Amino acid sequence: DTGVSQNPRHKITKRGQNVTFRCDPISEHNRLYWYRQTLGQGPEFLTYFQNEAQLEKSRLLSDRFSAERPKGSFSTLEIQRTEQGDSAMYLCASSPRTSGSSYNEQFFGPGTRLTVL
Amino acid sequence: AQSVAQPEDQVNVAEGNPLTVKCTYSVSGNPYLFWYVQYPNRGLQFLLKYITGDNLVKGSYGFEAEFNKSQTSFHLKKPSALVSDSALYFCAVRDSGDSSYKLIFGSGTRLLVRP
Repeated sequence: DTGVSQNPRHKITKRGQNVTFRCDPISEHNRLYWYRQTLGQGPEFLTYFQNEAQLEKSRLLSDRFSAERPKGSFSTLEIQRTEQGDSAMYLCASSPRTSGSSYNEQFFGPGTRLTVL
Repeated sequence: AQSVAQPEDQVNVAEGNPLTVKCTYSVSGNPYLFWYVQYPNRGLQFLLKYITGDNLVKGSYGFEAEFNKSQTSFHLKKPSALVSDSALYFCAVRDSGDSSYKLIFGSGTRLLVRP
């Protein structure tokens, strides 16, 4: 399967613990996005990378959240001192940079479901 | 500010009948519009997009969508529904002037196709 992969698929943690999620985009996709989806809602944008550069962060991304894409390939999203309100599905997406790439759709991974107890 | 509205939480239709899932949007520039479908325990799958050109866009699995600039709408349609079309559908918009390429999603519409 050459789609976007995310690990782990599920994570249960206690409040106050740190968690880290990984996203592997489709090979050669230089753009990578993180979204958060809560029950009954559509995905909400968190942050965006072009290659290794983090170019935009949503105000939803508090100081407890940090994302990296060190070599422009996979990305990690870390949440420090988790809170119950962090419980959500965290989605990763990627898109290619091609001619006319402003129009390219994003390809989504299966998500990581986080439950904070 | 960019926004998307999907006014129906759920749409029910009988198999073989046409279906419509509604979407309206608000952007300051020109809209790039997308429809995605989400099945249980799976990620969002791309169905179709409107960038420019013909207002009627055809996509995967027999779905199509009609862009209406005056009504700021992008309704998803299918002439004959299948039970397997039952899923959660999301409309999304990107403002052509937004350099981050982020998508703004609606809250989703659950489609239930009964046999």
